[in-house]
Amino acid sequence: GNSVTQMEGPVTLSEEAFLTINCTYTATGYPSLFWYVQYPGEGLQLLLKATKADDKGSNKGFEATYRKETTSFHLEKGSVQVSDSAVYFCALRYTGANSKLTFGKGITLSVRP
Amino acid sequence: GAGVSQSPRYKVAKRGQDVALRCDPISGHVSLFWYQQALGQGPEFLTYFQNEAQLDKSGLPSDRFFAERPEGSVSTLKIQRTQQEDSAVYLCASSPSTGGNQPQHFGDGTRLSIL
Repeated sequence: GNSVTQMEGPVTLSEEAFLTINCTYTATGYPSLFWYVQYPGEGLQLLLKATKADDKGSNKGFEATYRKETTSFHLEKGSVQVSDSAVYFCALRYTGANSKLTFGKGITLSVRP
Repeated sequence: GAGVSQSPRYKVAKRGQDVALRCDPISGHVSLFWYQQALGQGPEFLTYFQNEAQLDKSGLPSDRFFAERPEGSVSTLKIQRTQQEDSAVYLCASSPSTGGNQPQHFGDGTRLSIL
């Protein structure tokens, strides 16, 4: 079946540090890939997405590139801020009527001032 | 606001009780999803509605779980004879159509605790 694997957390960084959160997936065909973020006390929000191989999704300084050859979709940010502290989920989804999301376990990021 | 609304926000029940969780999707959204998020885990798919039709219920963990969307808008997830392992956050999401490229908009969830 389809699955998403995220690196183990939590991750603690100092402000302005470089961030990489690893995500790999197992799937047949060509799913779309997503990063969702959950800020403390809030619901899940879409951070960025990529719908085909070599696409780069970007938003709020975060980037992730859809790498089919390595089945990866790693999340990066050049300089994190305290306000980026949240839980980050990688997910995949196929096009079609039941386009349910398959999520990874999530990783907690804490950014120190 | 115009987002997905879930109620109650928190629910505490004793083991064996029945509970009902409500989801108000964004007006006009055709697709509605329920997910279960256990502590420290990612959300897992429970069931999917296209308008009032429940097209996929493959993620429901047992026959104690039942979902409906009778008029194609509000949805209710019901859990009968609750067990401690049912403790989780239950998330509802809606999207405008059935296309896989349509974004899913999530509610804030209902945190269910079974004592």
